[in-house]
Amino acid sequence: EIVLTQSPGTLSLSPGERATLSCRASQSVSSSYLAWYQQKPGQAPRLLIYGASSRATGIPDRFSGSGSGTDFTLTISRLEPEDFAVYYCQQYGSSSRYTFGQGTKLEIK
Amino acid sequence: EVQLVESGGGLVKPGGSLRLSCAASGFTFSSYSMNWVRQAPGKGLEWVSSISSSSSYIYYADSVKGRFTISRDNAKNSLYLQMNSLRAEDTAVYYCARESRGGWFDPWGQGTLVTVSS
Repeated sequence: EIVLTQSPGTLSLSPGERATLSCRASQSVSSSYLAWYQQKPGQAPRLLIYGASSRATGIPDRFSGSGSGTDFTLTISRLEPEDFAVYYCQQYGSSSRYTFGQGTKLEIK
Repeated sequence: EVQLVESGGGLVKPGGSLRLSCAASGFTFSSYSMNWVRQAPGKGLEWVSSISSSSSYIYYADSVKGRFTISRDNAKNSLYLQMNSLRAEDTAVYYCARESRGGWFDPWGQGTLVTVSS
């Protein structure tokens, strides 16, 4: 089973700053099968990025995804107040196994 | 509007059973694989189970295999999760989610809370 490790666990930044979140896989992951989600308190997760770099419908262009193989990155170019949340990466692997990273909490500094 | 609405959560004793439902609307339900994902209080996301569009392929996480059963009724646009032999560690919010071709989940329902406690 592929394990996804996200770093940092918590990221403290101010509005207007750039956020860089990392997701590292224990084995190579097809870029087609790597996604990012945002979750705010008391809400369901929301799809941000799929296929490692494609933005989901309605997602602002300040969100971007990149990476391949075992290293993937979610970048938020300029933080808005509504971006402070928990972010998860997710992969879809063999035997139809789906795994999530443990999450990165993005908090206001 | 694409919508998923879960129901059926509640308080159950260890060893008990519960059946969750997920009502889908706004899309052709019978064309998509569907999934259950759970989140224990204060914890991260854990995939639970997946079912293909025609129920031909069904998969479970090791943590629930043999205790949970996923099913669907395409005529009723509904997804189900039968949970037996429940344990305290099954306490979580359970989300249903539509799966896209690349294995990502979109959208998600609002979730239903299952609490296993004596």
